[in-house]
Parts: sequence; structure tokens; C-alpha cells
Amino acid sequence: EPEVTQTPSHQVTQMGQEVILRCVPISNHLYFYWYRQILGQKVEFLVSFYNNEISEKSEIFDDQFSVERPDGSNFTLKIRSTKLEDSAMYFCASSERKRTDTQYFGPGTRLTVL
Amino acid sequence: GENVEQHPSTLSVQEGDSAVIKCTYSDSASNYFPWYKQELGKRPQLIIDIRSNVGEKKDQRIAVTLNKTAKHFSLHITETQPEDSAVYFCAATDSWGKLQFGAGTQVVVTP
Repeated sequence: EPEVTQTPSHQVTQMGQEVILRCVPISNHLYFYWYRQILGQKVEFLVSFYNNEISEKSEIFDDQFSVERPDGSNFTLKIRSTKLEDSAMYFCASSERKRTDTQYFGPGTRLTVL
Repeated sequence: GENVEQHPSTLSVQEGDSAVIKCTYSDSASNYFPWYKQELGKRPQLIIDIRSNVGEKKDQRIAVTLNKTAKHFSLHITETQPEDSAVYFCAATDSWGKLQFGAGTQVVVTP
């Protein structure tokens, strides 16, 4: 069964550094999402992406964040200058044909900012 | 925007008993309500979902009910087993597809 994949599984970085988190959505899916989950808390929406542009973003997704689909398979989340409070698990998700199709989550990238 | 409240935050049940988790939502435009199970350190896994044109849905030991008028929906797990122990999240989404999650319920099933 196809799955969303994410790399790396764990990323450790120094405050102020840039990080890029990578995701490969399920191949026939058209809608892509990033969520984050701070340890012990709920999953929070960051951004949705369709047809090579952002559909919606939350107040968390400020100018330090950006997303890109650099090729036909990858979907990336970039944090330009990481802060301590960016430490969290970041999940990528994708859905098939429309926004209200089931969203399938990747295994997550644990980001630790020191 | 949408706000999803989930109760209880923790739930301990004896193996074989039923577990019920309740959620409320605020946005009447929300039309899709999935439930995710998350084991420690793992991804959220969809276990069941319901759309706004349906009042109830069942899949083996798991059922979900939706009351659109009252804006609440519930997850029911019958004949609980130790492997049901996990954190369960409800979520709601409108036509834009943005999932708003509840705070989660830690379910502990004791043998």
C-alpha cells in the first residue's frame, strides 16, 4: 500500500540555522499539507498546497516558513532561521482528489533546535 | 476559524469494556470528521471518518456518530483490547481541507 514518506526522521540544528524537511506524498495525490506537533500536544495545521501554490496557511506559518514542490515527487518545508520553539514533530500529509478526501500522514520528522 | 474540543483527556478502561470519546466543533461549515489513532512516536493513523451527510458509521469494533445540529461527534470503541491503548484525536475540516485537531485522548486499556 502506498505511503507518504519523510526524510530525515530526526534533524538536530542550531538556533538560527535553516532546515529543509522533505516529503514524498502518495504518487497520485494532488493536495499536500504540513502539520506540526509539539511534544505532548495536539497536531496543528501549518499549510496546504495544491497546483503549485499555497491554498491556506495558519498563523504559525509566518515568513520564516516556505513550501515548495521542486519536482514531480518531493514536497518540502523550509524554515529559514530556526527558533527554539520550532522544535516539534513535523508531519507531511497528502490527499487524493479533493480537499476533503482522507489525509494520509507521513511518519514525521522530529526537529530539535538547540 | 474552526475550534475542536475533545473530552476526556485521559480514559482508563478495563479490557472488554467500551470507550467513548466526545468532540465538539464550532464551524457549521465543517463537513468531514476523521478520527486518528497515534501510538507513541508514530504517525497519526486514520481509523474511521464520517461526512456530514451521515449520522453514524461503524467498522467492526469502532463506530462514530455525528450530530450536526449540536455540532458534536463521538468515537465508540467496543470490546476494548490492550492494543487499543493509544492517543486518539478527533478532527474537523471544512471545504478547504484544513484539519483542526482536538487535544487528544490518552486511552489506557488495562488487562
